[in-house]
Amino acid sequence: EVQLVESGGGLVQPGGSLRLSCAASGFTFSSYEMNWVRQAPGKGLEWVSYISSSGSTIYYADSVKGRFTISRDNAKNSLYLQMNSLRAEDTAVYYCARGGGDYLAEFDYWGQGTLVTVSS
Amino acid sequence: SYVLTQPPSVSVAPGKTARITCGGNNIGSKSVHWYQQKPGQAPVLVIYYDSDRPSGIPERFSGSNSGNTATLTISRVEAGDEADYYCQVWDSSSDHPKVVFGGGTKLTVL
Repeated sequence: EVQLVESGGGLVQPGGSLRLSCAASGFTFSSYEMNWVRQAPGKGLEWVSYISSSGSTIYYADSVKGRFTISRDNAKNSLYLQMNSLRAEDTAVYYCARGGGDYLAEFDYWGQGTLVTVSS
Repeated sequence: SYVLTQPPSVSVAPGKTARITCGGNNIGSKSVHWYQQKPGQAPVLVIYYDSDRPSGIPERFSGSNSGNTATLTISRVEAGDEADYYCQVWDSSSDHPKVVFGGGTKLTVL
């Protein structure tokens, strides 16, 4: 059974940093693209970042480029999101989502999410 | 940047057919994926590559995509289908592809 479990969320002050993790199990993690998607309270889905299966290709949404860094450790079956210079508008539930297997495909499995609150 | 437009809400009586649209410039040339999200839960993929259905998704869910509109159709709607639905594409028009989500449609079962 495919499982994605996010962790690392919490309350952080504006300008602060946080590192999210996503532990994957039930599939060959190193074979799949991964993404981070966020959802502000009461709002819709917003894609944050993409990383290829090997980690060699990375894309970011304009809203986080230069502040967030996506990475992965295939030996540990884990995905990460380092978030720096956090702003109030970064407050959201952050989901990790698996790519469907093709290049730039659908998101076929999602974690339950971890809440990040940026507030003083 | 590429924009996907969904109606904020759609209402349908039980047993009837719900159609949720997703508009975008020449969206028919892109692959469209659809997600269902119930309150407090993570999104679930219900349609991928315009019209394919993941295992475990009822045949009542179907999709189409042509011209400037993609459509998610839910036949014989049940109370359990009440949820937010989002369409999604990859915008690969630049050398830095981006994911675009529609704003979401709240499906209300009357």
